[in-house]
Amino acid sequence: DAGVTQSPTHLIKTRGQQVTLRCSPISGHKSVSWYQQVLGQGPQFIFQYYEKEERGRGNFPDRFSARQFPNYSSELNVNALLLGDSALYLCASSRSGDRNNSPLHFGNGTRLTVT
Amino acid sequence: AQSVTQLGSHVSVSEGALVLLRCNYSSSVPPYLFWYVQYPNQGLQLLLKYTTGATLVKGINGFEAEFKKSETSFHLTKPSAHMSDAAEYFCAVTFSGGYNKLIFGAGTRLAVHP
Repeated sequence: DAGVTQSPTHLIKTRGQQVTLRCSPISGHKSVSWYQQVLGQGPQFIFQYYEKEERGRGNFPDRFSARQFPNYSSELNVNALLLGDSALYLCASSRSGDRNNSPLHFGNGTRLTVT
Repeated sequence: AQSVTQLGSHVSVSEGALVLLRCNYSSSVPPYLFWYVQYPNQGLQLLLKYTTGATLVKGINGFEAEFKKSETSFHLTKPSAHMSDAAEYFCAVTFSGGYNKLIFGAGTRLAVHP
């Protein structure tokens, strides 16, 4: 089976622009989570979605939003980009939304550079 | 607040030497604990996890970790390092709650020298 796939792999945007990142979970996984990994740091939780509903949100501004589609794929949107949004954005999937069905399976990420 | 601390941002060992990467957590409730590895330009790969039961957990690639509740620790070890073990290692925890949120440590970069 294919793993978690993310697109695009790399992206360069200018401050103030908007960006959409995409994620396809492992087949059979109904939960998708998004993490931001700034260079030199551990990943930080942004969102979790399960069955198309938001289950959790990290400490990120409202410029960050996400959604999950009926096929369980997901998009992460970031508006009004700042230089500090430059990071590796990781998507992870799991069978269900609770920790008892962890672990999370991560994709290779989208590298976003804001200039 | 729950947190994870990884002692040592960089660890260097010789090939064949013992690998020890340290992780401590703070929590008032039983955690689930994980170690992930990240190779350059890649995502995170699960090495091993502790949920309940046996406190010594064996993972892939010869790694193992021991959950010590009294020390709030979950250190990662490997008896003999290989060159291919050079990577970034992250300790992570989840706590009880309605959703599966991982809290990661800052990571430890492991270098293996010939």
